[in-house]
Amino acid sequence: GAVVSQHPSRVICKSGTSVKIECRSLDFQATTMFWYRQFPKKSLMLMATSNEGSKATYEQGVEKDKFLINHASLTLSTLTVTSAHPEDSSFYICSARDRETGTVRDTQYFGPGTRLTVL
Amino acid sequence: GDSVTQMEGPVTLSEEAFLTINCTYTATGYPSLFWYVQYPGEGLQLLLKATKADDKGSNKGFEATYRKETTSFHLEKGSVQVSDSAVYFCALGHDKIIFGKGTRLHILP
Repeated sequence: GAVVSQHPSRVICKSGTSVKIECRSLDFQATTMFWYRQFPKKSLMLMATSNEGSKATYEQGVEKDKFLINHASLTLSTLTVTSAHPEDSSFYICSARDRETGTVRDTQYFGPGTRLTVL
Repeated sequence: GDSVTQMEGPVTLSEEAFLTINCTYTATGYPSLFWYVQYPGEGLQLLLKATKADDKGSNKGFEATYRKETTSFHLEKGSVQVSDSAVYFCALGHDKIIFGKGTRLHILP
């Protein structure tokens, strides 16, 4: 099946610093990528939808100035957590939709996730 | 708004037992329905899906039927294995996917 990678898999940073997480579709082109946040023992919460070449669409309650999303190419989207605080510590997961199929009725492929710990 | 409710875990079964994980949904229109699985230390993987009423998704011995009349998409497997131990997420999708809270499954040898 299609592969989506995330880098880094784990990151620990100090409060106040910024952290960038990369999401790559390795063997397909993705016009749309999604960023989720997963809290312990809870579901995935969609943070934003990232479309190649345009601004991301953020879900209600998600601060766009804090969680900067860039989707500069058909295979790469980045999430930057700016001025990170301990409450931003979480598991961040991206997914990518295959450009060839394109609709939500087809498969989204998920990355393995990035564990962010803010000290 | 749209939502997914699934049974809370953890669910603990012995190997070869029958599995059911209940999932019900609330949605406008006719969304696609999914079951995703997350094995320890790995990312989410699509297990099966159904795109319209009465469709049955199946994979790796797991099955789920899209029941419009009961707004349900229960996951079943006739004989579970230790390797099925994972967290299972029920989800629905229109333009974006909405997930349930997940059910952790432990299979004992």
